[in-house]
Amino acid sequence: GAVVSQHPSWVICKSGTSVKIECRSLDFQATTMFWYRQFPKQSLMLMATSNEGSKATYEQGVEKDKFLINHASLTLSTLTVTSAHPEDSSFYICSAVDRGNGIYEQYFGPGTRLTVT
Amino acid sequence: QKEVEQDPGPLSVPEGAIVSLNCTYSNSAFQYFMWYRQYSRKGPELLMYTYSSGNKEDGRFTAQVDKSSKYISLFIRDSQPSDSATYLCATINNAGNMLTFGGGTRLMVKP
Repeated sequence: GAVVSQHPSWVICKSGTSVKIECRSLDFQATTMFWYRQFPKQSLMLMATSNEGSKATYEQGVEKDKFLINHASLTLSTLTVTSAHPEDSSFYICSAVDRGNGIYEQYFGPGTRLTVT
Repeated sequence: QKEVEQDPGPLSVPEGAIVSLNCTYSNSAFQYFMWYRQYSRKGPELLMYTYSSGNKEDGRFTAQVDKSSKYISLFIRDSQPSDSATYLCATINNAGNMLTFGGGTRLMVKP
């Protein structure tokens, strides 16, 4: 299957600072990427849909000014958590869509664990 | 009603058992179905992909779709402790541009 990478895998930051998480599709081009959030022992929660070259679409309840998404190329999307607070501590997972085989295939990155102190 | 429903478990089985994981979905227009496996603190990994009704086999894993009852199943034969993970079923929405996930079933295979 296709490979999606995320960086960093784990980050600790102080309250009030901003953190950027990168998501890359390594062996395919992805016009669409998704950002999810997951709390311990809970299911994936979709935060936003990132489309290359256009603005991201945010799910209800997700603050677009707090979670800045940029999808500047077909292989890279970034999520910036601005002015992070302890309640933003969570597991963030990106996902990229590969339509290269004519079918819809969605692959996930390994996740980024964010801890805000 | 959620579009895709899944029993959260946990499901605990002894090593070597046959495991049956199930999902139901509400929209009869759904045609593509996927199973993902997620280990703790890792991203989900695509396991199986099926289209419409029928079975698909890959090693110890068999995915089954019954569109008449809107029921999706994943069977794991000769289960191993390394199969212990959360299994998520998913289907593609009608617009064909996003996955809808079940809540996941946590499986524990005990040696």
